[in-house]
Amino acid sequence: AQKVTQAQTEISVVEKEDVTLDCVYETRDTTYYLFWYKQPPSGELVFLIRRNSFDEQNEISGRYSWNFQKSTSSFNFTITASQVVDSAVYFCALSGFGQNQFYFGTGTSLTVIP
Amino acid sequence: EAGVTQFPSHSVIEKGQTVTLRCDPISGHDNLYWYRRVMGKEIKFLLHFVKESKQDESGMPNNRFLAERTGGTYSTLKVQPAELEDSGVYFCASSPLGNVVYEQYFGPGTRLTVT
Repeated sequence: AQKVTQAQTEISVVEKEDVTLDCVYETRDTTYYLFWYKQPPSGELVFLIRRNSFDEQNEISGRYSWNFQKSTSSFNFTITASQVVDSAVYFCALSGFGQNQFYFGTGTSLTVIP
Repeated sequence: EAGVTQFPSHSVIEKGQTVTLRCDPISGHDNLYWYRRVMGKEIKFLLHFVKESKQDESGMPNNRFLAERTGGTYSTLKVQPAELEDSGVYFCASSPLGNVVYEQYFGPGTRLTVT
């Protein structure tokens, strides 16, 4: 069975602080894909990143970075020097190889206080 | 390039009524998905189309839900008759066909409220 757990329901940080959003997944597949999406107040889910299970390299994109660790089944997302525009709900998702449906976590609501 | 669009953005209906949600995927995307998020819970898969064919409808809650994708373009999701527990945000997503699992591009969702 596929499962994604985002234990942090809500997080508040002050602008310019760093924040890490946790994502823990469960799967029996050896090949799988992990994703992060951002849902701003406008409602649509905005794609941020896709990783496959064979690529454990950490990724950095501007103020965003992702830490993929198969040993702990985690795919955590860090925002450095947070800004008010980062306020949103963030979803982590998992898809197995050969599958098309995504399994989402319950989301983490991030509020960045100016 | 236009993204995934959904109509309406919000619908309020009474229990027992019928509602039809529409999704227009990104042009050229043969994969089309429907998901639903009940308040505070995870976003859950409902079904998947490849072109006009239903590939996987394992997430459909019951036979009150009917999805179609005529001609392999836009899709509709009809709920008839609606029940209170059907309230939530219905998302549509699309992706291209391929040998890997591509990211899915989501629309803004339709917020359905059944009273």
